[in-house]
Amino acid sequence: SQQGEEDPQALSIQEGENATMNCSYKTSINNLQWYRQNSGRGLVHLILIRSNEREKHSGRLRVTLDTSKKSSSLLITASRAADTASYFCATDSLSDTGRRALTFGSGTRLQVQP
Amino acid sequence: DAGVTQSPTHLIKTRGQQVTLRCSPKSGHDTVSWYQQALGQGPQFIFQYYEEEERQRGNFPDRFSGHQFPNYSSELNVNALLLGDSALYLCASSLRGPDRGRDTQYFGPGTRLTVL
Repeated sequence: SQQGEEDPQALSIQEGENATMNCSYKTSINNLQWYRQNSGRGLVHLILIRSNEREKHSGRLRVTLDTSKKSSSLLITASRAADTASYFCATDSLSDTGRRALTFGSGTRLQVQP
Repeated sequence: DAGVTQSPTHLIKTRGQQVTLRCSPKSGHDTVSWYQQALGQGPQFIFQYYEEEERQRGNFPDRFSGHQFPNYSSELNVNALLLGDSALYLCASSLRGPDRGRDTQYFGPGTRLTVL
C-alpha cells in the first residue's frame, strides 16, 4: 500500500456531527499535511503538523500525530454540508538538499448530510 | 496576491499526440512540482523544478518532461499520449529549503486531460 493511507475510504455523517479521518504512513517524515479537494478540483491546504508536534488546532480542525505508530488523525467538529469533500493526508520527506515531494494517500470521501 | 494558476482548464487529445500544460507559481515562490491524479486516487508526484532544472522525479516514464522558465513558471509536456494518461494534472508551488514556513505546497486548480 501507499505511504499516507487514509481510513475510512468514505464517511457519511449528519450536519453537526464530528468527522474523524485517519492516516497511516510507512517511512520517517518531516511533517504531515492534510488537504481538502472539492469535486476533482485543486487541493486546498488545511493544516500542517511537524514530526515533533503531537497535536494542532485550526478553527474546527484538530490534527494529531503519533510518530511511534506512524499515524495521524483529522477531526472536523460540528460539521457542515459545505465540508463535503475528499480529504487527503500527505507526508513530506525532506532530502538533504532541501527538496520536497509530497506522498499522498487515496483519500477519505466525506459526505455531510444537511 | 495571486495564487497558483494553471492553463488550460480542460484538454482533450487523442492517443499518440503530445500535450503541454502550463503553471504559474504563487507570487514569491521559486519551486514548482507537478502531480498526476487519476480519478478516485490521490495525487502522484511527477517531478519538481527549481532554478530551471529538474531536481527530483517520481516514478514516471521519460514521456513526461518539463521545463521551468526564469520567471519560475513551468510547463509539463507529455509525449505519445496513452489512454492511461487521462487524469487531473496539478501544479504546486513552494519555497525551496528546510526552513519553517517553506514546507507548505500550494496547489493550482489543475488541468483535466482526457485522452481518447
